[in-house]
Amino acid sequence: GAVVSQHPSRVICKSGTSVKIECRSLDFQATTMFWYRQFPKQSLMLMATSNEGSKATYEQGVEKDKFLINHASLTLSTLTVTSAHPEDSSFYICSASFQGTGQPQHFGDGTRLSIL
Amino acid sequence: QKEVEQNSGPLSVPEGAIASLNCTYSDRGSQSFFWYRQYSGKSPELIMFIYSNGDKEDGRFTAQLNKASQYVSLLIRDSQPSDSATYLCAVRPGRDDKIIFGKGTRLHILP
Repeated sequence: GAVVSQHPSRVICKSGTSVKIECRSLDFQATTMFWYRQFPKQSLMLMATSNEGSKATYEQGVEKDKFLINHASLTLSTLTVTSAHPEDSSFYICSASFQGTGQPQHFGDGTRLSIL
Repeated sequence: QKEVEQNSGPLSVPEGAIASLNCTYSDRGSQSFFWYRQYSGKSPELIMFIYSNGDKEDGRFTAQLNKASQYVSLLIRDSQPSDSATYLCAVRPGRDDKIIFGKGTRLHILP
């Protein structure tokens, strides 16, 4: 099946640090990538949708200046959490799909972010 | 507001029995339906997808779709303790639409 690689798998850093998370589709061209956040024992929360070569669309309540998304190619999207604080600690998961085909979204393994 | 509804559970099923997970959706024109499994602390994993009315079988899993009733279900036969997880129902309303996820049903297989 389709493979989505997400890196790093775990980050522990000090408050105020900016953290970049990469999401790559390894065997298909991902026209659209999605970024989710999930707190413990809670459901997935969609943060933003990014289409290759255009600006990301953020969900209501998600600060676009805080969570910078770049989707520069059909195989790579990055999420940068700027000036991270302890409340940003969460499980961040990307997924990718080839939109317009009805195909499923495929998820990366997620990044567990812990801000001290 | 397009919605996907699932019972949050937990649903407890004895080992070896059939686990039945249900999902309803609000957009009658929805075209694609997916079931994901998520183990605690892990990301979701696609296990089934179905596009047409009726049943689709893959090993111990059967997805059932009834568009008239706006209902999709997942049956797991011969349930195993390793099937214990949260199961997410997901619906794509149109070919270009993003997938909408339910909040998931926690399944617990009792040894």
